[in-house]
Amino acid sequence: QVQLVESGGGVVQPGRSLRLSCAASGFTFSAYAMHWVRRAPGRGREWVAVISYDDGSNQYYADSVKGRFTISRDNSKNTLFLHMDSLRAEDTAVYYCARQMTTVTSPFDSWGQGTLVTVSS
Amino acid sequence: QSVLTQPPSVSGAPGQRVTISCTGSSSNIGAGYHVHWYQQLPGTAPKLLIYGNSIRPSGVPDRFSGSKSGTSASLAITGLQAEDEADYYCHSYDSSLSGPVFGGGTKLTVL
Repeated sequence: QVQLVESGGGVVQPGRSLRLSCAASGFTFSAYAMHWVRRAPGRGREWVAVISYDDGSNQYYADSVKGRFTISRDNSKNTLFLHMDSLRAEDTAVYYCARQMTTVTSPFDSWGQGTLVTVSS
Repeated sequence: QSVLTQPPSVSGAPGQRVTISCTGSSSNIGAGYHVHWYQQLPGTAPKLLIYGNSIRPSGVPDRFSGSKSGTSASLAITGLQAEDEADYYCHSYDSSLSGPVFGGGTKLTVL
């Protein structure tokens, strides 16, 4: 069955970097656009970034992370990444990877369980 | 502050019907973009519950239904069961932000 498993979260100091991974299985990974979505404590979910299917040549970011976060994918390893630089306290959240059906307005039909990132000195 | 507005909590007794609203604006729900709903049980991955405003994926009981009108959408759950106790949230697309937007989530308590 479809499975998405995030890893790489942890406690990091402000200004430092962290890389999250999302291991995919049970489907043709390269055929789907993939997203990162986060949920900060006590707040709603916020879309972070998307990478296009196939070669991942297109990436888009939320304004709150643009220029600091980079989404990428390795289709040979069925893995999605989120490289986070210049981390801030407000980046503290559970980060989820999610698979999107068909188009940019389609739902996310599979999600991982999330990995917690805590930015604190 | 989430782009889509949901009540923080709703509750109902077993067997009752509850509805959860999701209010947006002219750049998302009101622009005609579909609304999708997810259920997240404690400690588990979110699960797609309703997509395309009112379509249930295979395996989702028909106790769950969705609707949309104007700049708002609703999720209805009939015949409440204890296992329905979870966090529910809506999702749409926003043309001004050029990306997905979500509701803040609604915690359903089954009394």
